[in-house]
Amino acid sequence: KNEVEQSPQNLTAQEGEFITINCSYSVGISALHWLQQHPGGGIVSLFMLSSGKKKHGRLIATINIQEKHSSLHITASHPRDSAVYICASRQIWRGNLIFGKGTKLSVKP
Amino acid sequence: DVKVTQSSRYLVKRTGEKVFLECVQDMDHENMFWYRQDPGLGLRLIYFSYDVKMKEKGDIPEGYSVSREKKERFSLILESASTNQTSMYLCASSLDRTDTQYFGPGTRLTVL
Repeated sequence: KNEVEQSPQNLTAQEGEFITINCSYSVGISALHWLQQHPGGGIVSLFMLSSGKKKHGRLIATINIQEKHSSLHITASHPRDSAVYICASRQIWRGNLIFGKGTKLSVKP
Repeated sequence: DVKVTQSSRYLVKRTGEKVFLECVQDMDHENMFWYRQDPGLGLRLIYFSYDVKMKEKGDIPEGYSVSREKKERFSLILESASTNQTSMYLCASSLDRTDTQYFGPGTRLTVL
């Protein structure tokens, strides 16, 4: 059974800090997704990656297939980055996503 | 831009009532999904549909059914609502089953 674990559960940062959120999974996957959920519920997909690294603005996502680990980095954090960040894995033999429980990020001005 | 809309943001129902949650997407996506999200548990898949009139059970289908009569619309039905179905319900759609999913704003359902 694929388990997806995120750390930390909660994270408070000062504006401008570099932030890292971690995601580990237990079985082989075809892709790893990072999503963002703002207060109020709406979820936005940030990245889908199967190897290496992707960058979009101040957000960077990396994945290490051998170690079954992915990280989401936020450079020069801003209060508007405050949200819950969720990782989700897609197993090789099963198309559905398995979601982590999320990391709640709060960036203080 | 892909737009996924859900019929209600907030809904309050009584135990035993039949509840319909509707989801509409405007990008001609083949795949549509219903999830529920509970504190400490994350998102869990209830049902998904890969074509009109086609559906597959997700991880927690008990107590739910779905209907997809038109490509753009996917309905989640609670035949007899119970208090343990109080939750946030999120709909999503994607072009391909393994593609990026686009989420609706969610419906927060309370069953009294």
